Amino acid sequence: GAVVSQHPSWVICKSGTSVKIECRSLDFQATTMFWYRQFPKQSLMLMATSNEGSKATYEQGVEKDKFLINHASLTLSTLTVTSAHPEDSSFYICSASLIYEQYFGPGTRLTVT
Amino acid sequence: AQTVTQSQPEMSVQEAETVTLSCTYDTSESDYYLFWYKQPPSRQMILVIRQEAYKQQNATENRFSVNFQKAAKSFSLKISDSQLGDAAMYFCAYRRFGGATNKLIFGTGTLLAVQP
Repeated sequence: GAVVSQHPSWVICKSGTSVKIECRSLDFQATTMFWYRQFPKQSLMLMATSNEGSKATYEQGVEKDKFLINHASLTLSTLTVTSAHPEDSSFYICSASLIYEQYFGPGTRLTVT
Repeated sequence: AQTVTQSQPEMSVQEAETVTLSCTYDTSESDYYLFWYKQPPSRQMILVIRQEAYKQQNATENRFSVNFQKAAKSFSLKISDSQLGDAAMYFCAYRRFGGATNKLIFGTGTLLAVQP
């Protein structure tokens, strides 16, 4: 149990376009999901906390107008990278909270050309 | 603010041997959770072991065990009988006790290599 999926697993987009990443909890409901960014050989950097039915809480230094988060249901949160630029290229990971544990999705590799 | 420190960027162990990964943390709270996560080359985060701070007994999961020293704020991971599949990045993490909205605070990670 406690499976989290992400879609797509890999996306390439052109500079200036927007891309949406989906995070789903497949077998449980999650009122809270988290979005992370990870650079190669580095730790996970929390970008924002996504709460179902309310606005996301962004970490300091994360542009909320650039990284739009929508948690429309108890099983789905989306991250939209707007007007993407090459510096947004990274590995994005979501997690869903269940009791005291977080369950992680497999990640999405974003490449902006 | 809580912090997690992993002072070993890289470690190496021979297959079948034992290795210990270090982690220290800083918090003023008395109730919290500590975790070790494994991130293999696939980059899927996998929970290795969890420790509740109110439990004095060290957590174990098969070949994985922790040495939790609450007063010293130390939380090391011991891997016994190391296997090639144990090669991965290992992250120590802290989470406040309480609701699902509490975030994980990660250390910088230790890259473990397993030599055949």
